Amino acid sequence: GAVVSQHPSRVICKSGTSVKIECRSLDFQATTMFWYRQFPKQSLMLMATSNEGSKATYEQGVEKDKFLINHASLTLSTLTVTSAHPEDSSFYICSARDPGRENTEAFFGQGTRLTVV
Amino acid sequence: GQNIDQPTEMTATEGAIVQINCTYQTSGFNGLFWYQQHAGEAPTFLSYNVLDGLEEKGRFSSFLSRSKGYSYLLLKELQMKDSASYLCAALDSNYQLIWGAGTKLIIKP
Repeated sequence: GAVVSQHPSRVICKSGTSVKIECRSLDFQATTMFWYRQFPKQSLMLMATSNEGSKATYEQGVEKDKFLINHASLTLSTLTVTSAHPEDSSFYICSARDPGRENTEAFFGQGTRLTVV
Repeated sequence: GQNIDQPTEMTATEGAIVQINCTYQTSGFNGLFWYQQHAGEAPTFLSYNVLDGLEEKGRFSSFLSRSKGYSYLLLKELQMKDSASYLCAALDSNYQLIWGAGTKLIIKP
């Protein structure tokens, strides 16, 4: 089946630094990928929709200059948390759906646990 | 607006049966998903319903009523490892997943 790979799984960074998270679709071309954030004991919250070859679409309240998304190829999207602060500590998850199979499940990456100290 | 409702928490006994309900209101509808999520891990796919009726898959079954905007996930012969959060998500007309807050299922011996 389709697989989405996310890296790194855990990262600890100092406040003020930037962190890049990669999301790869391994056996299908994902024209669209989704980035979610999940705080403890809360549901997944969509941050942005990443579109290959064009600008990402951000959800209301998500700062596009802070959460930079690049989707330069059909198999790779990256999320960069710039000037990270402790309140950015969260679980970040990407997902993608196979565009050739519209009515199918979203495949998730393994998630990235970000801790900003 | 778009909305998914499911109970926050449920408790059940090992070996028993539990039903987790989900109601949804979305702009268009292209199916409903159930996912299981253990703490600190990404969600894993359980089921997908787009037509009315019951889909059975081993110990897990999922039901959909499109006219009522309602779905449930039925778990039989509960095991301790089934303790997790169960997320209901509806696919809207733009093929975007709208997530419920999740139901934390606690299994007691």
